[in-house]
Amino acid sequence: SELTQDPSVSVALGQTVRITCQGDSLGIYYASWYQQKPGQAPALVIYGKNKRPSGIPDRFSGSSSGNTPSLTITGAQAEDEADYYCNSRASSGNLYVFGTGTKVTVL
Amino acid sequence: QVQLQESGPGLVKPSETLSLLCSISGGSISSYYWSWIRQPPGKGLEWIGQIYYSGSINYNPFLKSRVTISVDTSKNQFSLKLKSVTAADTAVYYCARGDYDILTGYYYDHWGQGTLVTVSS
Repeated sequence: SELTQDPSVSVALGQTVRITCQGDSLGIYYASWYQQKPGQAPALVIYGKNKRPSGIPDRFSGSSSGNTPSLTITGAQAEDEADYYCNSRASSGNLYVFGTGTKVTVL
Repeated sequence: QVQLQESGPGLVKPSETLSLLCSISGGSISSYYWSWIRQPPGKGLEWIGQIYYSGSINYNPFLKSRVTISVDTSKNQFSLKLKSVTAADTAVYYCARGDYDILTGYYYDHWGQGTLVTVSS
């Protein structure tokens, strides 16, 4: 089971960028989203339908179109430049998989 | 504030067993899932497996034959053992706390800083 993401995306400072995650299990289970900056551990940014942990700016939001969840950064800032990974339960078995990751570059 | 800290050797010889410990502070090990996740240098995240505090375990099928995850509730710790390692097991290993709610699904809300384990003779 695999979750597929676009390898990279760029966004102008202050503009909006959307990252998607595709996989067979996503019509059944929610995805969660993680931000990873160089040399750091991943950090949860979105989970469930559209929930943000404490301390995550409200420019981060989650949504879904059909079976494809998305992470949107509205008004991207320089500090949002990072790798972003989705995660969800696999379609078969009680195991979890990460997406292939999307590198976001803020121009 | 819950904190997780990985510990263990940074260098393991090929064919030997990688052993890591994750110590939890600022919170109880009870009522959560506890996971190991790894990241080879320059690559993406790979889910290794998880254990519920009560002992229920799930492993990545690609690693299942070599992996053992266990929990020690009395010490607020859980561990990872990966046997018969090769260079392909060189990675940063993270421990993470998983939580689940029927309304939100499953997610990892706390992570350790990660520890690099190199497999080399």
